[in-house]
Parts: sequence; C-alpha cells; structure tokens
Amino acid sequence: QKEVEQNSGPLSVPEGAIASLNCTYSDRGSQSFFWYRQYSGKSPELIMSIYSNGDKEDGRFTAQLNKASQYVSLLIRDSQPSDSATYLCAVNGAAGNKLTFGGGTRVLVKP
Amino acid sequence: NAGVMQNPRHLVRRRGQEARLRCSPMKGHSHVYWYRQLPEEGLKFMVYLQKENIIDESGMPKERFSAEFPKEGPSILRIQQVVRGDSAAYFCASSPTPSRDGYTFGSGTRLTVV
Repeated sequence: QKEVEQNSGPLSVPEGAIASLNCTYSDRGSQSFFWYRQYSGKSPELIMSIYSNGDKEDGRFTAQLNKASQYVSLLIRDSQPSDSATYLCAVNGAAGNKLTFGGGTRVLVKP
Repeated sequence: NAGVMQNPRHLVRRRGQEARLRCSPMKGHSHVYWYRQLPEEGLKFMVYLQKENIIDESGMPKERFSAEFPKEGPSILRIQQVVRGDSAAYFCASSPTPSRDGYTFGSGTRLTVV
C-alpha cells in the first residue's frame, strides 16, 4: 500500500463546475496535510494546508480532512482553465520530519 | 525575500560525470529537503538536512548520491558517475520548522544525462 494515494486522472471538468480531488494516507499518526498545485514544467506551489478535522476554505478552494477515515480532499469551485494542472496531496507523518507526496491528480478544465 | 534559490536550472551531464545541484533556502529557514521527480511521477523524498546535519536520508540511493548543508553556503546535492536513470527534476524545499508548516519549493534543477 502506498503511503499517500491519489487518482492519477485526468479529471476533466467543464469551466465553472466543481472539481473534486481525493487523497488517502496510511500513517494514522499523520499531523498535517497539504495540497500543492504544479503546472507542467514548474515547481509545486502550496495552495492549502489543513491540520484538524473538518473543512477549511480559502477563496475558491476548500480542503476537507477526516482523520478517522484517513482521507483528505480538495474542492475547486467555479473551475477556470487556469486551474488546469496537477494537484499533489502531501502528508506530514507521525515522525513529523518530512512530507510524503501522492502521485498527483491531473485536472483539465475545458472552456 | 528571494525565495528558495536553486541553480543551475538546467544541467546536462554525460554518463559517468558528476552533477552538483545547489540550493539556498529562504531567509530564516534552517530546514532543507531534497526531492526528485521523474517524468509523469510524483515527488519522491530524498533527504532532510539542517545546518551541518543530515536528519533523514532514508530516500537517498545508497551509492553515488550525497548531500550536505554546510554552516556557510548553500545545500549541495551531489551525484557521482551519473547514469541515464538519474535524469529527472530535482527540487529543493525549505521550511522554518520541521513539522507543522508546508514547504516552499525552489524552481528545481532539471538534470539530463546523455
């Protein structure tokens, strides 16, 4: 079992729709959770962090965390073509000394 | 704030040569992490360093790869006797604390072995 798992996609959504991305992790003692966006040929950019169960909203992005189910999700509302990128889920495990990344979900927003 | 600085941006090496990748963390960040990304794959952890100390090198290949973060100067990732399979993007990240905060990544070094 991979430590952090994501569906590789591509996830194709029409412009203006909601994109829903999912991530599961194996380390039950994980402390902090992050979503990064990576455009092709570029470096990862931190877009959301979440530390406790529930929802956290920032603009068009909402992160959701359920530690009991070991599940993190990201919602992108009113998706724009500029949101087309790979979204990486990252988890800081119980040891707290490094981020482990999932393989990423590629999102395509079609005009 | 200049952010995490990596150089060179692109590096071409022939098989058997050495590659040196440099990373200067953000000002005030004393924790440095190196990750490797193969084409169409996620980021794989390689090593975590603080000044003059390697904290976690569990992701480093046992041979040919080494990393350092000296008291003065940038962190260096060194790959000796490169092979074609080393071709990848190498990203450096830094953080002010080791556990709570997300990392800020540099722009990466794209290594091509010919």
